[in-house]
Amino acid sequence: AQSVTQLDSQVPVFEEAPVELRCNYSSSVSVYLFWYVQYPNQGLQLLLKYLSGSTLVKGINGFEAEFNKSQTSFHLRKPSVHISDTAEYFCAVSDLSSASKIIFGSGTRLSIRP
Amino acid sequence: SQTIHQWPATLVQPVGSPLSLECTVEGTSNPNLYWYRQAAGRGLQLLFYSVGIGQISSEVPQNLSASRPQDRQFILSSKKLLLSDSGFYLCAWRGQGAGDEKLFFGSGTQLSVL
Repeated sequence: AQSVTQLDSQVPVFEEAPVELRCNYSSSVSVYLFWYVQYPNQGLQLLLKYLSGSTLVKGINGFEAEFNKSQTSFHLRKPSVHISDTAEYFCAVSDLSSASKIIFGSGTRLSIRP
Repeated sequence: SQTIHQWPATLVQPVGSPLSLECTVEGTSNPNLYWYRQAAGRGLQLLFYSVGIGQISSEVPQNLSASRPQDRQFILSSKKLLLSDSGFYLCAWRGQGAGDEKLFFGSGTQLSVL
């Protein structure tokens, strides 16, 4: 069965600094990987997804993530954050043996300091 | 366009009372349907998912059950609520075709069991 680990529950960074939010997954088969974002008082929305092909995936709002199969990771990065990036970020995985089943991590709360 | 409706938005129930949360999707057919529970520090916990009418996969043994009586209707139920059932419940859907991996979430139900 697949699982997702987000080791950092909170990540504080200064505005315009780079950020990396870590995500590691566990699965015995190939996977689809996702990052969702939840802005304060809003619903979840898809930030980016990896299905196949290029391991570097670009999403909305300047975020990108890199799929690393050997390290079973899918870390999310942004070179320069803005106050408006303050949100909770969730990594999710579904494996190809049961593509309908989508498991989320525990979330990382990104707080941006001016 | 597709929409997802989830109700009620908030619910306060006494311990031992029954529960019924309803979710309906419009504008699509044969969606995959999901119930998640969101708790602080625990991310989104997958409770149930369904790939078709009457087909329910349960992820977490607990005091809850789910049913899918119609193609676009997904119901979360309990015969007797426990205090531990309190939380924020999210319904979601996605298409079943290739390229339909994105989840669309409802606005959620905040359940308080007292």
